[in-house]
Amino acid sequence: DVLMTQTPVSLPVSLGGQVSISCRSSQSLVHSDGNTYLHWYLQKPGQSPQLLIYRVSNRFSGVPDRFSGSGSGTDFTLKISRVEPEDLGVYYCLQSTHFPWTFGGGTKLELK
Amino acid sequence: EVQLVESGGGLVQPGRSLKLSCAASGFTFSNYYMAWVRQAPKKGLEWVATISTSGSRTYYPDSVKGRFTISRDNAKSSLYLQMNSLKSEDTATYYCARHHSAVFDYWGQGVMVTVSS
Repeated sequence: DVLMTQTPVSLPVSLGGQVSISCRSSQSLVHSDGNTYLHWYLQKPGQSPQLLIYRVSNRFSGVPDRFSGSGSGTDFTLKISRVEPEDLGVYYCLQSTHFPWTFGGGTKLELK
Repeated sequence: EVQLVESGGGLVQPGRSLKLSCAASGFTFSNYYMAWVRQAPKKGLEWVATISTSGSRTYYPDSVKGRFTISRDNAKSSLYLQMNSLKSEDTATYYCARHHSAVFDYWGQGVMVTVSS
């Protein structure tokens, strides 16, 4: 199985600040069809996960442009600028290039 | 608005069975793959099962293969997960999710399953 490693595990932030979350995979996530199936989710406290970014850098419907995704191969980053209170929670990456589809362990974004 | 509402969770003894349901609305259910994803208490996310639009193809990780069965009823816009031979490590919140273009784009609120004697 592809191992997805997220760092850091915990990320203290000040409101209005900028943060980056890293997600690294144990093998390349480039699919034979040329796409890279790496996605980002946010799980707010007490809620189900919500899709933020799909296929590395595409914002899902309704996701503000404060969120951006980048990366290639095995190394990916989610950046959040001008952090707002509703951005707090646990962020997960997901790879769906290789079967079985696997999630990262999560990064908890919390206030300093 | 896409809505996914799970039901059927509860407390079950090890080795017993349980069937989860998910009622979908707000989209043409029969046009989408569907999936179940679970989250053990205070833990991360684990994909559990996916089913094709017609139900003819199903996919599972090794952790549940042979014990869990995903199915759907397109006429009722409903998704199911039959869980047999349950183990304590199956204790989790189970989420129903729409599986579109290789991503889980919409999720239900989840249903809790506790496997304990």
